[in-house]
Amino acid sequence: AQKVTQAQTEISVVEKEDVTLDCVYETRDTTYYLFWYKQPPSGELVFLIRRNSFDEQNEISGRYSWNFQKSTSSFNFTITASQVVDSAVYFCALCLYNFNKFYFGSGTKLNVKP
Amino acid sequence: GAGVSQSPSNKVTEKGKDVELRCDPISGHTALYWYRQRLGQGLEFLIYFQGNSAPDKSGLPSDRFSAERTGESVSTLTIQRTQQEDSAVYLCASSFGDYNEQFFGPGTRLTVL
Repeated sequence: AQKVTQAQTEISVVEKEDVTLDCVYETRDTTYYLFWYKQPPSGELVFLIRRNSFDEQNEISGRYSWNFQKSTSSFNFTITASQVVDSAVYFCALCLYNFNKFYFGSGTKLNVKP
Repeated sequence: GAGVSQSPSNKVTEKGKDVELRCDPISGHTALYWYRQRLGQGLEFLIYFQGNSAPDKSGLPSDRFSAERTGESVSTLTIQRTQQEDSAVYLCASSFGDYNEQFFGPGTRLTVL
């Protein structure tokens, strides 16, 4: 069975702090994709990143970075120097190759205070 | 606009009534997904359409739920004999091909009284 766990329900930080959102997934498949989405207070989910299971290189995009470790089945997301606009619910998702069915975690609500 | 649109944005209905939710995907997107998001929770997969292939209905919670899609265009999600536990935001997403980023609509907030 497939499962995505985001153990942190809610995190509060002060602006400019770094914050890491954890994502742990479970699957027996060897080929899969991992995603992060952001859901701001306005409600619409926004795609952030996709990773395939054969690419463990870490990725950095501006203040965002992602750490993918197959050994621990984790795909963590770090925001450096957080800003108030980063306040949102962040979802991690798993998609298996050949099934194209997405399994979403329960989300982590990030509150960035000024 | 060029994004995914959904209608209505809000729907209040009485228990036992049928409702129909509509999704207009981005033009050219072959894949279309429906999800349910209960208050404060994650996304629950309902159904997936890809081109003219048979849809993956494995996430539909009961036979009261059904969905259709005509070719690669509009999709409708129908809930018959609504129950209070059906109250949620129903999200639609589309993507080009498989395993690619999904573009989400604003959702339909369904309230069953």
